Amino acid sequence: AQTVTQSQPEMSVQEAETVTLSCTYDTSESDYYLFWYKQPPSRQMILVIRQEAYKQQNATENRFSVNFQKAAKSFSLKISDSQLGDAAMYFCAFKNRDDKIIFGKGTRLHILP
Amino acid sequence: DGGITQSPKYLFRKEGQNVTLSCEQNLNHDAMYWYRQDPGQGLRLIYYSQIVNDFQKGDIAEGYSVSREKKESFPLTVTSAQKNPTAFYLCASSVFDRSNEKLFFGSGTQLSVL
Repeated sequence: AQTVTQSQPEMSVQEAETVTLSCTYDTSESDYYLFWYKQPPSRQMILVIRQEAYKQQNATENRFSVNFQKAAKSFSLKISDSQLGDAAMYFCAFKNRDDKIIFGKGTRLHILP
Repeated sequence: DGGITQSPKYLFRKEGQNVTLSCEQNLNHDAMYWYRQDPGQGLRLIYYSQIVNDFQKGDIAEGYSVSREKKESFPLTVTSAQKNPTAFYLCASSVFDRSNEKLFFGSGTQLSVL
């Protein structure tokens, strides 16, 4: 069975600094998708970034980028120039070829002014 | 506007009662999902459905039931067998698009026990 592990329950970063959130996963499949979702206090889930396993190039979306290490089964999220609006829960998620999508337990990110 | 609608926003359940959470999407998505979120916890998969009249158990299906009679609708019933139903429930949908794979979420239903 696939699993997703986020080993950092909480993290803090100074405004304008860079922070990296960790995610590891376990699977025997070679074709899958990985996601980072953000959940602010409103509890609405917002897609931050997506990575296809068959692509070697790391995905980027403005200030957000990932470090995808397929062999190590690692998928970390880097947030550059952190802003107060980035404060939220961040969830790593994995989708297999059977369309099952599972999430990690999340990392709560605090932005210090 | 296309999207996913969950209702009600808040729901209260009495002891021994079954309650049904509604999830409707007008995105023409094939796959739909139900997740449970407990305070400070991640999302745990309850059930998911890839096509009409078919669904798969997730990791915590016990005490829940679903149906998928229409592509647009995927209601979740929390049965009396679910002894700890208080949680935030999220419905999501996804389209089979290799180049644009992602989940669209509803705004959630908070279920509490009276």
